[in-house]
Amino acid sequence: QVQLQESGPGLVKPSETLSLTCAVSDYSISSGFYWGWIRQPPGNGLEWIGSIYHSGSTYYNPSLKSRVTISVDTSKNQFSLRLSSVTAADTAVYYCARALGGVMSNWFDPWGQGTLVTVSS
Amino acid sequence: EIVMTQSPATLSVSPGERATLSCRASQSVSRNLAWYQQKPGQAPRLLIYAASTRATGIPARFSGSGSGTEFTLTINSLQSEDFAVYHCQQYNNWPPWTFGQGTKVEIK
Repeated sequence: QVQLQESGPGLVKPSETLSLTCAVSDYSISSGFYWGWIRQPPGNGLEWIGSIYHSGSTYYNPSLKSRVTISVDTSKNQFSLRLSSVTAADTAVYYCARALGGVMSNWFDPWGQGTLVTVSS
Repeated sequence: EIVMTQSPATLSVSPGERATLSCRASQSVSRNLAWYQQKPGQAPRLLIYAASTRATGIPARFSGSGSGTEFTLTINSLQSEDFAVYHCQQYNNWPPWTFGQGTKVEIK
């Protein structure tokens, strides 16, 4: 069954860019589905960041759109998140997940284990 | 943006009893609602989508109902492994897809 694994720095300095990668195994991203990023600040709820199709088509949370870029690398079977100009408010556990339902409706299954990113100098 | 409000924030239930969790949307989301279970230190796990369809491998003691703005997740005969945080998510109006703040089900 499909598995996802996030990777990237656990500590990012304020004003810098957060970069994470999600490696997908046991399923080819090129075969279909949307793929998403969701985050969860410590002790808080979940926030959808954005989703991408294997073709590269993307859509983002308007609250983050100016700072977010999601890309896909089908040759490596992975997709990535970049969040620029980070502040302490971006400290969170970042999850990647497969998005079911298609472009007009996304629910998420399965999820990666998550990776904590702390923004601090 | 649709705001999802879950209640109660914490629900204390004895093992073997029934838990009833609520999720309210600030405007109609039809039946485009999912429920997730999250245990400490783990990623969320999909339980229910389309308001009432159980995901693959989810036990029958989990059931979802509702439409429009009012939704319920019912867990019958709570097992020890069911004590966790439960999140609802709407996927009717986007962007963005939005989640509730979660309900923690704890042992009474």
